[in-house]
Amino acid sequence: AQKVTQAQTEISVVEKEDVTLDCVYETRDTTYYLFWYKQPPSGELVFLIRRNSFDEQNEISGRYSWNFQKSTSSFNFTITASQVVDSAVYFCALSESRANQAGTALIFGKGTTLSVSS
Amino acid sequence: AAGVIQSPRHLIKEKRETATLKCYPIPRHDTVYWYQQGPGQDPQFLISFYEKMQSDKGSIPDRFSAQQFSDYHSELNMSSLELGDSALYFCASSEGVNIQYFGAGTRLSVL
Repeated sequence: AQKVTQAQTEISVVEKEDVTLDCVYETRDTTYYLFWYKQPPSGELVFLIRRNSFDEQNEISGRYSWNFQKSTSSFNFTITASQVVDSAVYFCALSESRANQAGTALIFGKGTTLSVSS
Repeated sequence: AAGVIQSPRHLIKEKRETATLKCYPIPRHDTVYWYQQGPGQDPQFLISFYEKMQSDKGSIPDRFSAQQFSDYHSELNMSSLELGDSALYFCASSEGVNIQYFGAGTRLSVL
């Protein structure tokens, strides 16, 4: 069965600190997708990044970076120089790939609540 | 760019009433998903449709049903509402296996 674990329930940092959110996943599929979504206090779910299981290239996008390691089944997310607007719940998610063209359900972790204070 | 549209944004119902939530996916997206998020919880997958056919079924109660129409919009019908159905209901859409984009959600309160 697929499972996503976000061990950090809550993290509090002060502005300009760097923060890393951990995500560990379990799947028997050889082809799968990993995601990070952000849910600010307003409630919407905002897509941040997707990686497929064959793409272990890590990425930096502005203040965000991601570290995907298949050997440890981890997909960690780092915010550099955090800002108050980064305060939100961050969800890591997993979906399987399928032979037909249909998308598949996202399996979410429990989420990490990030609070950034000024 | 067009996003996923959900209506209504807020809904208040009494126990045992029925509710219908609507979702209009991003144009050209062929897959629609419904998720339920309880207070302080992660979103839980309910059901999905691909090209107007049910594709996957998750933890959707028998009291709930859903369908996707010829114009690709989808409706989630909820009957015999219970207090525990109070949650944020999200619709998402994707173009096949691509990224799922979420609507703003419908907040359902059952009194």
